[in-house]
Amino acid sequence: DIVMTQSPATLSVSPGERATLSCRASQSVSTSLAWYQQRPGQAPTLLIYGASTRATGIPARFSGSGSGTVFTLTISSLQSEDFAVYYCQQYNEWPPLTFGGGTKVEIK
Amino acid sequence: QAQLQQWGAGLLKPSETLSLTCAVYDGAFIDYQWTWIRQSPGRGLEWIGKIDRSGTTIYTPSLRSRVTMSVDTIKKQFSLRLSSVNGADTGRYYCARGNWGGWYFDLWGRGTQVTVSS
Repeated sequence: DIVMTQSPATLSVSPGERATLSCRASQSVSTSLAWYQQRPGQAPTLLIYGASTRATGIPARFSGSGSGTVFTLTISSLQSEDFAVYYCQQYNEWPPLTFGGGTKVEIK
Repeated sequence: QAQLQQWGAGLLKPSETLSLTCAVYDGAFIDYQWTWIRQSPGRGLEWIGKIDRSGTTIYTPSLRSRVTMSVDTIKKQFSLRLSSVNGADTGRYYCARGNWGGWYFDLWGRGTQVTVSS
């Protein structure tokens, strides 16, 4: 199975600042990577697929980059609703599809 | 706007069978792959498997011997059965809509908390 490792586990950021989240794959997943946001008590929401394509309705402040084994999710200017947990997921080699352990973005 | 509504028993005893159903409202059914994902503090997000409109399934290897998924295209519903549950199966179970390849998930149900306890 491909192991997805996210860092840091927790990121403390002030509103309006930029947040940079990392995801690393145990082997190359090309650009077959998705990002999700999960707010407390809610199901995850798809943000990004194909490593860099925003899903329908996702604001432009969310951007994804990377290929191979190293990926980044950037939130350019954090809004109050962006404080949540973010997960990456690979779909290059499966089954199984695998998720990272998550990065919690909290208010500094 | 499409919605997924899921239901099923939330409290099970060890060795019982988990059974959940998810219905698709106000959205297409045949164009997508239908998926179950679970989440627990210890295991994080875990993909269980998927099923398409024809009933073709792919399951995660670790659960393959205990998982069965089914689909009813007339009712626009799909279901999950997980047999011989134990404490490690405790978690929140989500149904989700996968893209045409079933690779990523753009619509999720609200989740069902399943607890396995004697």
